[in-house]
Amino acid sequence: AQSVTQPDIHITVSEGASLELRCNYSYGATPYLFWYVQSPGQGLQLLLKYFSGDTLVQGIKGFEAEFKRSQSSFNLRKPSVHWSDAAEYFCAVGGYSTLTFGKGTMLLVSP
Amino acid sequence: GAVVSQHPSRVICKSGTSVKIECRSLDFQATTMFWYRQFPKQSLMLMATSNEGSKATYEQGVEKDKFLINHASLTLSTLTVTSAHPEDSSFYICSASLRVGGVNTEAFFGQGTRLTVV
Repeated sequence: AQSVTQPDIHITVSEGASLELRCNYSYGATPYLFWYVQSPGQGLQLLLKYFSGDTLVQGIKGFEAEFKRSQSSFNLRKPSVHWSDAAEYFCAVGGYSTLTFGKGTMLLVSP
Repeated sequence: GAVVSQHPSRVICKSGTSVKIECRSLDFQATTMFWYRQFPKQSLMLMATSNEGSKATYEQGVEKDKFLINHASLTLSTLTVTSAHPEDSSFYICSASLRVGGVNTEAFFGQGTRLTVV
């Protein structure tokens, strides 16, 4: 069965500092991997996705993620966090449209 | 990306009544739609998958008689919570995908519906 682990429930980062959100997955085949962001009371916005090819994926809003098959990881990074990045972030794995989500990481941005 | 619109964004209903939530794909035809439920501070849990013109496939533990799903057209799926109770209060999110060449494409999410049953 497929599963996603986001080990950090909350992360606090100072504005302007770098960010890394961790995601580990379990999947029986080559996975499709996604990162979504959710603002309070809102739906999900896709930040980036990995299907194949280059393991470093660029997304919207300056985010990137790196697929590491040997570590079963797909960590999300941003070099400089803005206050508007405060939100909940979900990693997901699946067969393109049927997705299994992690429990999410709440990002707090301090001044 | 494609746009999926979900309505209403918030609804409050009395215990025992039914509530209908609509999910529309605005600029594409969605052969498959998914309904998720999200509890506070929790992840999204898939409730059911619906394909246009056929019965929905429910995940284990989801009561199909309580959560009625209709996907009568390629642009509209509805979720009806029947005889709602306070424990049904939650955030419900739909997603829609297009099938191309026999494969479901990327899923696009609606804005979600906050249901409160009082």
